[in-house]
Amino acid sequence: DTAVSQTPKYLVTQMGNDKSIKCEQNLGHDTMYWYKQDSKKFLKIMFSYNNKELIINETVPNRFSPKSPDKAHLNLHINSLELGDSAVYFCASSQIPLRHSYNEQFFGPGTRLTVL
Amino acid sequence: GQNIDQPTEMTATEGAIVQINCTYQTSGFNGLFWYQQHAGEAPTFLSYNVLDGLEEKGRFSSFLSRSKGYSYLLLKELQMKDSASYLCAVRWAGNMLTFGGGTRLMVKP
Repeated sequence: DTAVSQTPKYLVTQMGNDKSIKCEQNLGHDTMYWYKQDSKKFLKIMFSYNNKELIINETVPNRFSPKSPDKAHLNLHINSLELGDSAVYFCASSQIPLRHSYNEQFFGPGTRLTVL
Repeated sequence: GQNIDQPTEMTATEGAIVQINCTYQTSGFNGLFWYQQHAGEAPTFLSYNVLDGLEEKGRFSSFLSRSKGYSYLLLKELQMKDSASYLCAVRWAGNMLTFGGGTRLMVKP
């Protein structure tokens, strides 16, 4: 019954490693997102992706890349992990909203990444 | 770019009313969301405003003034379970959201 799920829930790794976080949604949504929430609780958009376009927040380092094997999945790959990458990463999904309408984003439970 | 400001913390008493303000400066404004986030959990949707005025949903109401770049979330009949962070977010480019830093609300008996 889980709408948006992420694995793993916790990820502890060494600096310099490459890791992936998986996200799946069973809501039939056509757009998925990745957010980073740092220790000060700021929630920042990293990517928005549907089958037509990828929107990248310009502040995201190119060590981060989203990979979508199909419409229900958007995985996050991180290369050469750095200490500053430690944060909680949230996946979310929504339908593409019509003009002046909205489709709220549904968030996954989050993945707490700790880089040592 | 987008700049969103909200108070960092607020405290209120159970049963009272509290108003959480949010001011924003943004290009390409396409609506404002309020989300609730309990500690250690995911954000959940509360409300959306795109036109000026008040939207009411039970104990929660949200107001928007686009000319002033201002919104507030009003919580009535506060309950202990309302203790959480409240995040204001502005929508731009497609459905991209930029969030404020969140307001941590503590409800006391």
